[in-house]
Amino acid sequence: NAGVTQTPKFQVLKTGQSMTLQCAQDMNHNSMYWYRQDPGMGLRLIYYSASEGTTDKGEVPNGYNVSRLNKREFSLRLESAAPSQTSVYFCASSPRLSAYNEQFFGPGTRLTVL
Amino acid sequence: SQQGEEDPQALSIQEGENATMNCSYKTSINNLQWYRQNSGRGLVHLILIRSNEREKHSGRLRVTLDTSKKSSSLLITASRAADTASYFCATDAAGTASKLTFGTGTRLQVTL
Repeated sequence: NAGVTQTPKFQVLKTGQSMTLQCAQDMNHNSMYWYRQDPGMGLRLIYYSASEGTTDKGEVPNGYNVSRLNKREFSLRLESAAPSQTSVYFCASSPRLSAYNEQFFGPGTRLTVL
Repeated sequence: SQQGEEDPQALSIQEGENATMNCSYKTSINNLQWYRQNSGRGLVHLILIRSNEREKHSGRLRVTLDTSKKSSSLLITASRAADTASYFCATDAAGTASKLTFGTGTRLQVTL
């Protein structure tokens, strides 16, 4: 089992460019999440998907869109990248959206916007 | 906004010593979780403690929860160099549809 995989590992964009971060999990989990991690800020939730076919905004959704393509895959899109979106992005999954589920994290994507 | 705040921000100890890090949070919770993050990697779940529990153990880890003080502590006993990592608490606040809110983390350095 690969767990949660993310592509790419690193990306450099120019301001205004667009890109999609890919995430896939092979644990048959229902819920998936996108976080960003900035120095000194911990992780902040961007969007989440409680189950296939549903997506909801998290704490910092502005400038992002998501697609739950199927049960395995959850992508994050930056339509017009800004320097403030320079961050490390983590995808995570859990069996379901429950108070008592641990989350499983991918290795992260380091994004720099110039 | 950050729900959890860890203290200290950074901690340096020698191998074999115990490491204690604390987490304070602001609102009522369903549970509190601790995660570890090695440098350049994703987070790994360590332990979950429910709001009606006061203490929980897992190997060399001991977690306490004091809901009256809205605080938790993570104790790592007999630390090893491999314990060098950042440690985050995450709370599942009541009424937030089971979304986790992470603290800012404690960076632990264990030296030989």
